[in-house]
Amino acid sequence: KAGVTQTPRYLIKTRGQQVTLSCSPISGHRSVSWYQQTPGQGLQFLFEYFSETQRNKGNFPGRFSGRQFSNSRSEMNVSTLELGDSALYLCASSLNREINSPLHFGNGTRLTVT
Amino acid sequence: AQSVTQLGSHVSVSEGALVLLRCNYSSSVPPYLFWYVQYPNQGLQLLLKYTTGATLVKGINGFEAEFKKSETSFHLTKPSAHMSDAAEYFCAVSDLYNQGGKLIFGQGTELSVKP
Repeated sequence: KAGVTQTPRYLIKTRGQQVTLSCSPISGHRSVSWYQQTPGQGLQFLFEYFSETQRNKGNFPGRFSGRQFSNSRSEMNVSTLELGDSALYLCASSLNREINSPLHFGNGTRLTVT
Repeated sequence: AQSVTQLGSHVSVSEGALVLLRCNYSSSVPPYLFWYVQYPNQGLQLLLKYTTGATLVKGINGFEAEFKKSETSFHLTKPSAHMSDAAEYFCAVSDLYNQGGKLIFGQGTELSVKP
């Protein structure tokens, strides 16, 4: 069974631009979560989608948004990029929202904002 | 609010030595606790988890952790380190009222294994 796939692996953008990251969960998984990983702040929860609805949201500005499609694939969008948005963005999927359903992470998209 | 503290951002052990990575949590409700490992340029992989039941939890690759409520700790151990264990390790907490993908992670501990 294929794992969580994130595309692209690397992105370089200029301040002020916007970016869209994509995540394909493990087949059959319905919950998709997004995390931002930086050396200074560590791993921070962005949001979670289940059945195309945002179920949970972290403390990030409205420039960060996401969506989930009917096939469970998810995208996250960052508008008006800032230098501080440079990070590794990790997507994780799980079968459902039960606590016993573990998160499976993708290898991430590394975003560099110049 | 929940939080996780990992003592020591970097731990170095010799191959064959005991690995001990420390994790303390803060939670006002019964916690669910996790350890993840991250190898360079990869995502996170679940090592083990504690939800309910037995407080000594065994995971993959010979790792185990013990939930100690009185000490609010969930330390990760492995009796004998292997070179392939070199990676970054993250402790995380969730609770019954935060179902879904929201985990609170510690800052991580980088484990080095010397030959």
